[in-house]
Amino acid sequence: QVHLQQWGAGLLKPSETLSLNCAVYGGSFSDYYYNWIRQPPGKGLEWIGEINDSGSTNQNPSLKSRATISVDTSKNQFSLRLTSVTAADTAVYFCTRGRFVGTMRLWGQGILVTVSS
Amino acid sequence: DIQMTQSPSSLSASIGDRVTITCRASQGISNYLAWFQQEPGQAPKSLIYAASSLQSGVPSKFSGSGSGTDFTLTISSLQPEDFATYYCQQYNSYPYSFGQGTKLEIK
Repeated sequence: QVHLQQWGAGLLKPSETLSLNCAVYGGSFSDYYYNWIRQPPGKGLEWIGEINDSGSTNQNPSLKSRATISVDTSKNQFSLRLTSVTAADTAVYFCTRGRFVGTMRLWGQGILVTVSS
Repeated sequence: DIQMTQSPSSLSASIGDRVTITCRASQGISNYLAWFQQEPGQAPKSLIYAASSLQSGVPSKFSGSGSGTDFTLTISSLQPEDFATYYCQQYNSYPYSFGQGTKLEIK
């Protein structure tokens, strides 16, 4: 059964860099689109950015270029780096996979990242 | 940027009811619209893509319709597992955006 597995640090201090990874297990990595989504506690969903298996990316301008999404096809995984985090970046972060651009058929389990001094 | 507005924000219904949730886009998005269901503490689950196409494995009690700016998600014959929060999402243009969510509660 194909699934996404996420991992990364869950507690950061302000100004540090968030780093999360997401791997695809049990299925193909090629020819899919991968997204990062976040959800602040008790709030709605926010799109962070998208990457395809060729490494082409699009990001949400609201993050003011703090986000970098990359892919490592040799490991069937993709990553998110978010620099200069503040308390406003505290959220559950999800990775997703979709067969068509913009679609999000499969979701990772989510990781709560807390930014606190 | 495209703003997605869902209505209502919350909805109370009884087991067996049929409910409809509306999603409106601030500009035309063709049929590039998806619906998700999220239970507390869980990742969202994809229900519908391309406005009306049901994801495999999703019960036919869920249906979507619409094109352009106005879309609906209908759930028939509500069961306990259907009480959750529902989100719409546009993927017509970047940045992708979600509605604020509709919380469906048991009456």
